[in-house]
Amino acid sequence: QKEVEQNSGPLSVPEGAIASLNCTYSDRGSQSFFWYRQYSGKSPELIMSIYSNGDKEDGRFTAQLNKASQYVSLLIRDSQPSDSATYLCAVREFSGGYNKLIFGAGTRLAVHP
Amino acid sequence: SQTIHQWPATLVQPVGSPLSLECTVEGTSNPNLYWYRQAAGRGLQLLFYSVGIGQISSEVPQNLSASRPQDRQFILSSKKLLLSDSGFYLCAWGGQGPLTISGANVLTFGAGSRLTVL
Repeated sequence: QKEVEQNSGPLSVPEGAIASLNCTYSDRGSQSFFWYRQYSGKSPELIMSIYSNGDKEDGRFTAQLNKASQYVSLLIRDSQPSDSATYLCAVREFSGGYNKLIFGAGTRLAVHP
Repeated sequence: SQTIHQWPATLVQPVGSPLSLECTVEGTSNPNLYWYRQAAGRGLQLLFYSVGIGQISSEVPQNLSASRPQDRQFILSSKKLLLSDSGFYLCAWGGQGPLTISGANVLTFGAGSRLTVL
């Protein structure tokens, strides 16, 4: 089973700061990576996907991928209290002819005013 | 756009009782469907996935089973629940049709069913 590792947190940042969330994965052949946000008691929602090395920006969110280091991160600029949630890193696995997403356990982010 | 319906939203069941959770998808045909479970404070664990009617793949051996009786319906069942079956059960849609390694299918989740086994 491929593994996806995240620091469980909580990561506490002040409002307006940059939050940096990290994720490592075990399968060097992985090609597709995703960040989901999950508010307490709710289902996960997709924030970002990234497939190529480097940075991908979408509003206040930037995903960074380094396949050589098997490392993917999510930066949240100008953090807001509404960003407080658990962030799940996911890696797409293709085996047996099927796509599956393998999730990390998530990092809990707390943004305090 | 696709809509995923899950029910019931919440249920409390005694140990040893049966379980049936239902998921239906609107706005697509031939969807790839998945069941995930999230135990309290834990990550998402893939339980089953299905690429078509009657086609079920199991990821983790356990007392749960899944069925795909119709194209857009995915059911999770158990004959006898265990305490360890408690959790947040999520149905997800992940694209449609044949899958390729270069495909960029993303998962979209339903609202989930929260199960407490007492």
